[in-house]
Amino acid sequence: EIVLTQSPGTLSLSPGERATLSCRASQGVRSNFLAWYQQKPGQSPRLLIHDAFIRATGIPDRFSGSGSGTDFTLTISRLEPEDFAVYYCQQYGGSPPYTFGQGTKLEIK
Amino acid sequence: EVQLVESGGGLVQPGGSLRLSCVASGFTFSTYDMHWVRQYTGKGLEWVSAIDTAGRTYYPDSVKGRFTISRENAKNSLFLQMNSLTAGDTAVYYCVREKDIGDDAFDFWGQGTMVTVSS
Repeated sequence: EIVLTQSPGTLSLSPGERATLSCRASQGVRSNFLAWYQQKPGQSPRLLIHDAFIRATGIPDRFSGSGSGTDFTLTISRLEPEDFAVYYCQQYGGSPPYTFGQGTKLEIK
Repeated sequence: EVQLVESGGGLVQPGGSLRLSCVASGFTFSTYDMHWVRQYTGKGLEWVSAIDTAGRTYYPDSVKGRFTISRENAKNSLFLQMNSLTAGDTAVYYCVREKDIGDDAFDFWGQGTMVTVSS
């Protein structure tokens, strides 16, 4: 089973700043099948990025994904007030089980 | 508009059973792989089960032998039969659509249904 470790656990930033979130896999993610999700309080997770760098439908271009193999990054170029939430990475690289990271909470500084 | 609506959650005693349902609309249900994902209160996400378009099923070790996922395409419905429940199964359970056939991310999530296992 691939274990995903996200860092930092909590990130405190101000609107307008740049956010960089990390997701490290315990072994290589096949075909870079890695996704990022955003979850706000009281809501279900929302798909932001799939296949490591492809934005999902309707996702603003301030969100970008990068990385390959075992190291992946979600970058939010200029934080908007609505971006403060919890972010999860997930690998779906072939065989189950599909695994999620433990999450990074992005909070307003 | 894609919608996934779960039901069937509630309070159950340890050792008991519960059956969750999910009704899908806004897409051709039979052509998508479907999943259940759970979220412990205030915490992270755990994939619970999957069923592909051919009816093949997959589970993590944590629920294998206790949970059974099934689907009824004629009724656009997904189910999760949960047996031998423990306190560790207490969570919000989401019905989730896989974006495309094959290995893909989860593009639509239901609102979730709460399962509480307690005496």
